[in-house]
Amino acid sequence: GEDVEQSLFLSVREGDSSVINCTYTDSSSTYLYWYKQEPGAGLQLLTYIFSNMDMKQDQRLTVLLNKKDKHLSLRIADTQTGDSAIYFCAERVNRDDKIIFGKGTRLHILP
Amino acid sequence: GAVVSQHPSWVICKSGTSVKIECRSLDFQATTMFWYRQFPKQSLMLMATSNEGSKATYEQGVEKDKFLINHASLTLSTLTVTSAHPEDSSFYICSARDLRGQTQYFGPGTRLLVL
Repeated sequence: GEDVEQSLFLSVREGDSSVINCTYTDSSSTYLYWYKQEPGAGLQLLTYIFSNMDMKQDQRLTVLLNKKDKHLSLRIADTQTGDSAIYFCAERVNRDDKIIFGKGTRLHILP
Repeated sequence: GAVVSQHPSWVICKSGTSVKIECRSLDFQATTMFWYRQFPKQSLMLMATSNEGSKATYEQGVEKDKFLINHASLTLSTLTVTSAHPEDSSFYICSARDLRGQTQYFGPGTRLLVL
């Protein structure tokens, strides 16, 4: 079946790196995404990675994909208070082209 | 970047009334749009996939007569919650996939409160 799992909470001190982990089950995933949702707002696409890539870096964001273990991570360098939000991992399943979301990881920034 | 708008951003209505929510892709064309609902502190639940010019495909457990979807053009899809009840209160989010099909861009969401 299709399932995306991620931890629900993460606390990080300002200035440190945040690493949010995600596992998925469907091996036919073509794209994997990270979305950010601030309180009361919609989803903002942060970055995505194609399934044949291992890593993608975009400024403070680094995405690592281990396709063998079906593990995706998002690293945010130099975490700022503005990074406080819920981060959703999502996979696009090749079979029917749907995007399946995880439950979201709430990132809390400690001063 | 690609922008998706939703209107209205929030709505309060009485039980039994119908509410229409619009989703527009502002600077790109979208053959496919998606409707999600999100309960507080929960993930997004896909309700239906809307294809331009054809009938929407509903996910299991979503009543198509309750949630009417129309995708009349490449930039507009509407969701009508018919005879809304308090349990329909939720955050409704649409997204649109660009013609290249690589990713979905999300609207800001519509918060519906049914009294």
